[in-house]
Amino acid sequence: NAGVTQTPKFQVLKTGQSMTLQCAQDMNHEYMSWYRQDPGMGLRLIHYSVGAGITDQGEVPNGYNVSRSTTEDFPLRLLSAAPSQTSVYFCASKLDRGFHQPQHFGDGTRLSIL
Amino acid sequence: AQSVAQPEDQVNVAEGNPLTVKCTYSVSGNPYLFWYVQYPNRGLQFLLKYITGDNLVKGSYGFEAEFNKSQTSFHLKKPSALVSDSALYFCAVRDSGAGSYQLTFGKGTKLSVIP
Repeated sequence: NAGVTQTPKFQVLKTGQSMTLQCAQDMNHEYMSWYRQDPGMGLRLIHYSVGAGITDQGEVPNGYNVSRSTTEDFPLRLLSAAPSQTSVYFCASKLDRGFHQPQHFGDGTRLSIL
Repeated sequence: AQSVAQPEDQVNVAEGNPLTVKCTYSVSGNPYLFWYVQYPNRGLQFLLKYITGDNLVKGSYGFEAEFNKSQTSFHLKKPSALVSDSALYFCAVRDSGAGSYQLTFGKGTKLSVIP
């Protein structure tokens, strides 16, 4: 049972480069989300999706794009990487948009922007 | 707006002693409260949640949490700490009255259990 799978685990980029962080879940979950984790700041929501074809912005969406063409996949795109986007990125999913559903997290992508 | 605070950046406790990790929250409606644990280089793992009902919630790995509405708190507890409990703990809240799907996380508390 794979759960939530994130690739790559580590990445180093130069300022201005673009890249896509991949996230896939095999639990048929409707709701998926992307967070970034920075020291002393907890987790902050970047974007989320309540189902295929539906996405919305979270707390810190600037500089990131998402799409949800299938239930399983929810990629996060950095359009033009900046040093401020150096962070650990987590993808999470849960069964549906219900308030009480716990989220399942991937193991993260550690991204450094030089 | 919903918010959550974890007033301690770090908690140290001796193995075998009881542990408490504190969390307070602010919401406009009723709170849905969660605790997650993060081990090094891993994602967050769900421990327990409070939705409604009994104020004492039991979760994974022997952890429990007490919901206190008057003090707007949801402290995580364990009667006897293990070295393997050393990790980063996050409290999270969602406001039932907010109309938002977003979950707000605290900044985390690092728990160190000393052998």
